[in-house]
Amino acid sequence: DAMVIQNPRYQVTQFGKPVTLSCSQTLNHNVMYWYQQKSSQAPKLLFHYYDKDFNNEADTPDNFQSRRPNTSFCFLDIRSPGLGDAAMYLCATSRAPGGAGAETQYFGPGTRLLVL
Amino acid sequence: EDKVVQSPLSLVVHEGDTVTLNCSYEVTNFRSLLWYKQEKKAPTFLFMLTSSGIEKKSGRLSSILDKKELFSILNITATQTGDSAVYLCAGPFSSGTYKYIFGTGTRLKVLA
Repeated sequence: DAMVIQNPRYQVTQFGKPVTLSCSQTLNHNVMYWYQQKSSQAPKLLFHYYDKDFNNEADTPDNFQSRRPNTSFCFLDIRSPGLGDAAMYLCATSRAPGGAGAETQYFGPGTRLLVL
Repeated sequence: EDKVVQSPLSLVVHEGDTVTLNCSYEVTNFRSLLWYKQEKKAPTFLFMLTSSGIEKKSGRLSSILDKKELFSILNITATQTGDSAVYLCAGPFSSGTYKYIFGTGTRLKVLA
C-alpha cells in the first residue's frame, strides 16, 4: 500500500547530540512537510519542500535543517537538540498544486523525540 | 496574521449523543479547509471543504463550510467511544505556497 513511513518511531537523544529523523513516501507526491507537535498543541509547520524547492517557516529555529535527496525521502536534522525540542515530529505529503485533492495531506505515524 | 480557532477545546459526551465542533478562521487568501481526526498517532484525513453550503458526509460524520462567516462545523451523530480523539481543523492559507495552519483542536471524549 502506498504510504508515508517515518523512522524511527521513537528516538531518544542527549542534550546537544545531533539527531536525524527520516521520512519516506511511496505516494510519489511532490510536496513533503515536517511538523512539530508538542503535547496538547496543534502541529506546527517547520518547513516544506515542493520538489527540490525548500520553504522554511520564518519562526523555525536555525537548529532545524532538512534535506530532500530525492522525491521519496526527506530528512529532518536537529543539530543540537534542547529539552524544548522534545515533541512528536510529523512528516506529511501532498500532490502538486492544481489537481483534484491536491491539498489533502497524508501523514506518517510520527517520530516521538525525547531529549535527555 | 492568519489563524484558525477551534471550539470547544474539549468536550465530554455519552455514547449516542450528537456533537458539533466549530472551526473559525481569519485568512488573507483562503484556499480550502480540512478536518482531521487524531488519536494517539498521526492525523487522519476526514474532509476537505472548498465551497460554502455544500455538506460533506462520511457515515456519522458531516461537515459544512460558511465562507461568508468564515467558519466550519463538524458534526458527529450517534457518537461511539471510538470517536474519542482530537479533531483538528486546518487549511492551506498562503498565496502560492502550501503553508498549512492548524487549530489547536477539540479533544472529544465519548463515555460508554
